[in-house]
Amino acid sequence: EIVLTQSPGTLSLSPGERATLSCRASQSVSSSYLAWYQQKPGQAPRLLIYGASSRATGIPDRFSGSGSGTDFTLTISRLEPEDFAVYYCQQYGSSPPTYTFGQGTKLEIK
Amino acid sequence: QVQLQQWGAGLLKPSETLSLTCAVYGGSFSGYYWSWIRQPPGKGLEWIGEINHSGSTNYNPSLKSRVTISVDTSKNQFSLKLSSVTAADTAVYYCARGTAVSCGGDCYNYYMDVWGKGTTVTVSS
Repeated sequence: EIVLTQSPGTLSLSPGERATLSCRASQSVSSSYLAWYQQKPGQAPRLLIYGASSRATGIPDRFSGSGSGTDFTLTISRLEPEDFAVYYCQQYGSSPPTYTFGQGTKLEIK
Repeated sequence: QVQLQQWGAGLLKPSETLSLTCAVYGGSFSGYYWSWIRQPPGKGLEWIGEINHSGSTNYNPSLKSRVTISVDTSKNQFSLKLSSVTAADTAVYYCARGTAVSCGGDCYNYYMDVWGKGTTVTVSS
């Protein structure tokens, strides 16, 4: 079973700053199987990035994803007030088919 | 635009069976896998399992012995049953659409792109 570890647990930044969130896998993950989600309080998660680096429909270009193997990164280039939320990485495992989430990174206003 | 509407009992006693249903509106039901995910209060997301329109299922090994996911293609609905619940099963339960998109050759991207609003389930005596 692949374990995803996200860091930091909490990130305190100000609007306009750059955010870098990390997701590390316990073993190599195919980039095509790595996704990122944003969740705001009381809401369902929203897909941001799939295939490690492709933005989902309607996602602003200030969000970008990168990485391969065991290390993946979500970058928000200039934080907007609406970006403060919890972010989860997720991987799909094909044998057997399963989904695993990281424990989340809370992005809070400094 | 695809929407997922979910419903089910929100308060259960220990040992009872959790039962939730999710209806798919505004899009194709076939060609996707339909998942259940849960989130305990103040905690992260846990995938429970998935089903496709043919009834083929995949489950989280940690919950497999207690989970049944079924499908009703005539109504574009899928359902979750979780037996012998305890307080540890208290969570918000989400349904979601799982999508696999070709990225060329044998490459496929897998992700969940449409989510229901969530149903809060509390297990308490």
